[in-house]
Amino acid sequence: DTAVSQTPKYLVTQMGNDKSIKCEQNLGHDTMYWYKQDSKKFLKIMFSYNNKELIINETVPNRFSPKSPDKAHLNLHINSLELGDSAVYFCASSQDGASGSDEQFFGPGTRLTVL
Amino acid sequence: GEDVEQSLFLSVREGDSSVINCTYTDSSSTYLYWYKQEPGAGLQLLTYIFSNMDMKQDQRLTVLLNKKDKHLSLRIADTQTGDSAIYFCAEKRTTDKLIFGTGTRLQVFP
Repeated sequence: DTAVSQTPKYLVTQMGNDKSIKCEQNLGHDTMYWYKQDSKKFLKIMFSYNNKELIINETVPNRFSPKSPDKAHLNLHINSLELGDSAVYFCASSQDGASGSDEQFFGPGTRLTVL
Repeated sequence: GEDVEQSLFLSVREGDSSVINCTYTDSSSTYLYWYKQEPGAGLQLLTYIFSNMDMKQDQRLTVLLNKKDKHLSLRIADTQTGDSAIYFCAEKRTTDKLIFGTGTRLQVFP
């Protein structure tokens, strides 16, 4: 059974479109995250949710809107896609984000390509 | 700034030891981590160290922490071809968010 799953694995779309990436974790964790990894492999946190509540919101464009319908799901909706949004987006989860040694489990990533 | 720095590449021969270095910036970081990313996959936690420790050993992995210099290293003993991957250090700040390093691509050749 996959612990953290993301769909789709690949997403190719035109500039200006709106798209969503879905994430689900079956680990019973309280905290979920979205990270962006650019072409140079630099990984940066975008959002963090704990029990459906937004905890961390980095300075990302407001075209990016996370939605957490329940604590097992954290979806990422992106409006008006731009070329610079092309990246690999990783979802992750942890038992309790505030606990220091808390391991984050990562999904396999969604490679978004904006043409 | 927020930068956590790592050297970009490391190439070693199979059976040798690998040492991957990381320099972080926030002296109040509570935990420091090493993650491994294989091609086309997500990140996998290898090990972590609490900031009041200076060394941790876990099988082939040894983590050294120099808190004064804000320097973290990961030593992999008897490096194997399966160890080829990108290795990320990360620091956990008091804001509870992880700041990842720039990543080191380790290549192991026979």
